[in-house]
Amino acid sequence: DQQVKQNSPSLSVQEGRISILNCDYTNSMFDYFLWYKKYPAEGPTFLISISSIKDKNEDGRFTVFLNKSAKHLSLHIVPSQPGDSAVYFCAASGRSRGSNYKLTFGKGTLLTVNP
Amino acid sequence: SQTIHQWPATLVQPVGSPLSLECTVEGTSNPNLYWYRQAAGRGLQLLFYSVGIGQISSEVPQNLSASRPQDRQFILSSKKLLLSDSGFYLCAWTGLAGAGANVLTFGAGSRLTVL
Repeated sequence: DQQVKQNSPSLSVQEGRISILNCDYTNSMFDYFLWYKKYPAEGPTFLISISSIKDKNEDGRFTVFLNKSAKHLSLHIVPSQPGDSAVYFCAASGRSRGSNYKLTFGKGTLLTVNP
Repeated sequence: SQTIHQWPATLVQPVGSPLSLECTVEGTSNPNLYWYRQAAGRGLQLLFYSVGIGQISSEVPQNLSASRPQDRQFILSSKKLLLSDSGFYLCAWTGLAGAGANVLTFGAGSRLTVL
């Protein structure tokens, strides 16, 4: 049972335009959400996160929106750059912190930004 | 600053052979440590996590095992590899408090091909 879903395996966007990556979750116990970016043959790197007490978090060109009632979050990249081309993973964690903390990941969305 | 090392970076092994992947973390103490696997066309699957020396939790039944002989060392092993063990293995760590408590930091990964 997949608790974190990224239904679009790929997305292609023109440079300078907005990229919107979507993520849905089913577990109502999730209260912290993260986005990771991954290049081929490298480990994922943390991009941005959001707590369930917020509905928006912004960091430069990256903004994450959280809709708790719909159990949906999205990552907006504006403007998109060719260097943003990578696989983006959505991840979620439950209310347990500390020793039991772990992340559940989606399958990822491959973003291609065309020059 | 904290760093995480994984080795080997790539490995080609025959079916039935043993496996040992190592991960060490520097610059922190008592981290939570994790092994994830990214199989072809799939997301990041949590295999094992550890909250302390000798403490291992397994997330999925499988042909692999994990050990934590020292505070900052995490080892992934198998006695006899299967074809289905092929994938990209990622070690990660997180702290228990402060800004690093909610974010997993990943190593560069180990690409395993079982032939």
